[in-house]
Amino acid sequence: DAGITQSPRHKVTETGTPVTLRCHQTENHRYMYWYRQDPGHGLRLIHYSYGVKDTDKGEVSDGYSVSRSKTEDFLLTLESATSSQTSVYFCAISGLGRETQYFGPGTRLLVL
Amino acid sequence: GESVGLHLPTLSVQEGDNSIINCAYSNSASDYFIWYKQESGKGPQFIIDIRSNMDKRQGQRVTVLLNKTVKHLSLQIAATQPGDSAVYFCAENIGNDTGRRALTFGSGTRLQVQP
Repeated sequence: DAGITQSPRHKVTETGTPVTLRCHQTENHRYMYWYRQDPGHGLRLIHYSYGVKDTDKGEVSDGYSVSRSKTEDFLLTLESATSSQTSVYFCAISGLGRETQYFGPGTRLLVL
Repeated sequence: GESVGLHLPTLSVQEGDNSIINCAYSNSASDYFIWYKQESGKGPQFIIDIRSNMDKRQGQRVTVLLNKTVKHLSLQIAATQPGDSAVYFCAENIGNDTGRRALTFGSGTRLQVQP
């Protein structure tokens, strides 16, 4: 998985609780992305980062926030989890001048 | 467990045959395309890419064809093997600023290889 780890790999939580997912890379790539994958919708971009402390919204950003204080870590936070946020979350990275994105192994999140 | 759609189009082929997976993309301004393979419980894995100034690109056992006129992309897998069984996604890269680009993914095709 191109030097990308995600933690936790599986999580069950209750509606209304905060959840933070972590993406860690060892490739020193500048760009990092969070996607969610749901049946019938494929992969959809939540947020992305183009450098430390530089982030922007994707197409399904409502209910999510992100932070990137170090090149290697990109955090995705669900401030108050809802059942509609039950999904598989993937982190991806790409290097400067490279459009190809490489994906992590995913985090399966279940919100009860 | 499965992480992809339950109602994906499925292509079933015999081991050793060639497979062709098709994808229609949406934006005529897209200038970079990628094929990914996703096995059950894993993240998408890069297979091959192609830029819009090319019509064809070959890799190891895989070929991608791009027809910009009809906005169509195909992935050809030669001598399909059981290990090729997976869901295959095409993705188009839209945007002018490298890195800020977002990949837009197709819904995927499930490839089943029969022994």
